[in-house]
Amino acid sequence: EPEVTQTPSHQVTQMGQEVILRCVPISNHLYFYWYRQILGQKVEFLVSFYNNEISEKSEIFDDQFSVERPDGSNFTLKIRSTKLEDSAMYFCASSEGRVGYYEQYFGPGTRLTVT
Amino acid sequence: DQQVKQNSPSLSVQEGRISILNCDYTNSMFDYFLWYKKYPAEGPTFLISISSIKDKNEDGRFTVFLNKSAKHLSLHIVPSQPGDSAVYFCAASAGSGGYQKVTFGIGTKLQVIP
Repeated sequence: EPEVTQTPSHQVTQMGQEVILRCVPISNHLYFYWYRQILGQKVEFLVSFYNNEISEKSEIFDDQFSVERPDGSNFTLKIRSTKLEDSAMYFCASSEGRVGYYEQYFGPGTRLTVT
Repeated sequence: DQQVKQNSPSLSVQEGRISILNCDYTNSMFDYFLWYKKYPAEGPTFLISISSIKDKNEDGRFTVFLNKSAKHLSLHIVPSQPGDSAVYFCAASAGSGGYQKVTFGIGTKLQVIP
C-alpha cells in the first residue's frame, strides 16, 4: 500500500540553524501538507501546497518557514533560523485532490529538537 | 479558538465492550469529518470519514455518527480490542474543489483493557 515517507525521523539542531525536513508524498496525490504537533498539544496545520504553490498557510507559517517541491517526488519544509519553540513533531501529509476524497494520509513524522 | 473539541482526554474500556469517542464542533461551514488514530512515535492514520450529507458511516468495527443540528459526532468501536489502544483525533474540514483544510481536535487517549 502506498505511504507517505519522511526523513529524517529525528533531527537535533542548535537554535538559529537552518533545517530542512523531507517528505515523499503518495505518488498520485496532488495536495501536500505540513503539520506540527508540539508535545502534549494538538496537531496544528502549517501549510498546504498544490500545483507548485502554497494554497493556504496558517499564522504559524511565518517568514521563517518555506516549502518546496524540488523535483517530482520530494516535498520539503525549511525552517531558516530555528527557535527553541520550533521543537515539535512535524508531519507531512498528502491527499488525492479529488472532490469527495478529502482524506489526508500522514507520514510517520520528524521529531525536531532545537537546543 | 477550539473549533473542534474533544472534551474527554482519556477513556478506558474493557476488551469486547463498546468504545464511544465524542467530538463537538463549532464551525457550521465544516462539511466533512474524519477520525484518525495515532500510536506513539507514528503519524496519524486515517480511520473513517463522513460527509455532512450523511448521519452514519460504518466500516467494520468502526461507525461514525454525525448529528449536524447538535454539531456533534461520535466514533463507536465494537467490539473493542487491545490493539485499538491509541490516541484518536477527531477532525473536520471545509473547502471547495479537491481541497479541504482540516482542523484537528486535541485527541482522546483510548485504553482497551484485556
